[in-house]
Amino acid sequence: NAGVTQTPKFQVLKTGQSMTLQCAQDMNHNSMYWYRQDPGMGLRLIYYSASEGTTDKGEVPNGYNVSRLNKREFSLRLESAAPSQTSVYFCASSELQGRGDTEAFFGQGTRLTVV
Amino acid sequence: GNSVTQMEGPVTLSEEAFLTINCTYTATGYPSLFWYVQYPGEGLQLLLKATKADDKGSNKGFEATYRKETTSFHLEKGSVQVSDSAVYFCALNNQGGKLIFGQGTELSVKP
Repeated sequence: NAGVTQTPKFQVLKTGQSMTLQCAQDMNHNSMYWYRQDPGMGLRLIYYSASEGTTDKGEVPNGYNVSRLNKREFSLRLESAAPSQTSVYFCASSELQGRGDTEAFFGQGTRLTVV
Repeated sequence: GNSVTQMEGPVTLSEEAFLTINCTYTATGYPSLFWYVQYPGEGLQLLLKATKADDKGSNKGFEATYRKETTSFHLEKGSVQVSDSAVYFCALNNQGGKLIFGQGTELSVKP
């Protein structure tokens, strides 16, 4: 039972390079999310997709783009990486759109370093 | 806007000690409240939740009660184990399943 799968697990980029973080879930969830985790700041929402075909900005969207490729997959793209984007990135999914008490399931994270 | 504040860590305890991690929130309306746990090298997983005032969430010996009057959701465990060493995040639902997290509290339990 895979749950939420993220690739890659680790990545080092040079400033200005681009990359795409991949995320796939096999739980048939409607909603998917991208968070970043930084020391002392908890997790902050970058972008989310309430359902297939929709995406919206979260708290810290600058420098990122997303694509909800289908119901299973939600990718995060860094067009021109900056050192401030050094972080651990988590993808998550949840069952029903708008359900406030629904559990979110998280991937294992991507540790990204921008030098 | 909505926010969550947790006590700062790291917290270091001896095995079998009592644990409290404080969490307070600011929110409009009546959000659902959660505790997530992150074990080393892993993603977050739900530990417990409460969806309305006075609800008590519990799991694996951990408990937290949704206190509307004090806007709090403190995490407690009567006797911690080494295996409880992890980072604990308090969170609230901010419309449509989006979560707002506290900064996280690292717990280290020594044998």
